[in-house]
Amino acid sequence: GESVGLHLPTLSVQEGDNSIINCAYSNSASDYFIWYKQESGKGPQFIIDIRSNMDKRQGQRVTVLLNKTVKHLSLQIAATQPGDSAVYFCAENTSGTYKYIFGTGTRLKVLA
Amino acid sequence: DTEVTQTPKHLVMGMTNKKSLKCEQHMGHRAMYWYKQKAKKPPELMFVYSYEKLSINESVPSRFSPECPNSSLLNLHLHALQPEDSALYLCASSQMGGDQPQHFGDGTRLSIL
Repeated sequence: GESVGLHLPTLSVQEGDNSIINCAYSNSASDYFIWYKQESGKGPQFIIDIRSNMDKRQGQRVTVLLNKTVKHLSLQIAATQPGDSAVYFCAENTSGTYKYIFGTGTRLKVLA
Repeated sequence: DTEVTQTPKHLVMGMTNKKSLKCEQHMGHRAMYWYKQKAKKPPELMFVYSYEKLSINESVPSRFSPECPNSSLLNLHLHALQPEDSALYLCASSQMGGDQPQHFGDGTRLSIL
């Protein structure tokens, strides 16, 4: 389940289950969105991106869904593995600018 | 291994010291970025360089001074830092134009005594 509080929101899932990480973005003018994975002691690593002319994009074991009406983004990870344990950030950008705004992040814990 | 290399990995400095953080990429990216990240928080944008010119300064205190000597290198010069400046400093690069994925280094962990 998910816990939210003073610390980073955490999502705990059983190994092999599917994970869904959510993100609410702030700027209605944003038209480009990225999901990053950050492991302990490392920088954010690109997972998948989506532009506002799409509402779904699939990668290897990952799917990003975009709902512009409610300014919501989600990352679905299929068959979650221990190596998926990390902090996940969404980021939003407006084309033609270099300003990327990151969401607050969600820690994904994969339980064996 | 990341394609953006940051040195040093760790840095401890006193409040009166002067030091520099370095970042290098060889992907031909012409946009380079400095971010600050505190524990359990998202990265916060500090500076953006495009074509070696400073294009965004997010009202960062002058004790942080960025420099882009060429298209592959980005420096962050530090002087008279405060304890609250202790953080992970991340460098990133991307293709021009915005709406491109950023490639991050693994950061420099900075501690101010």
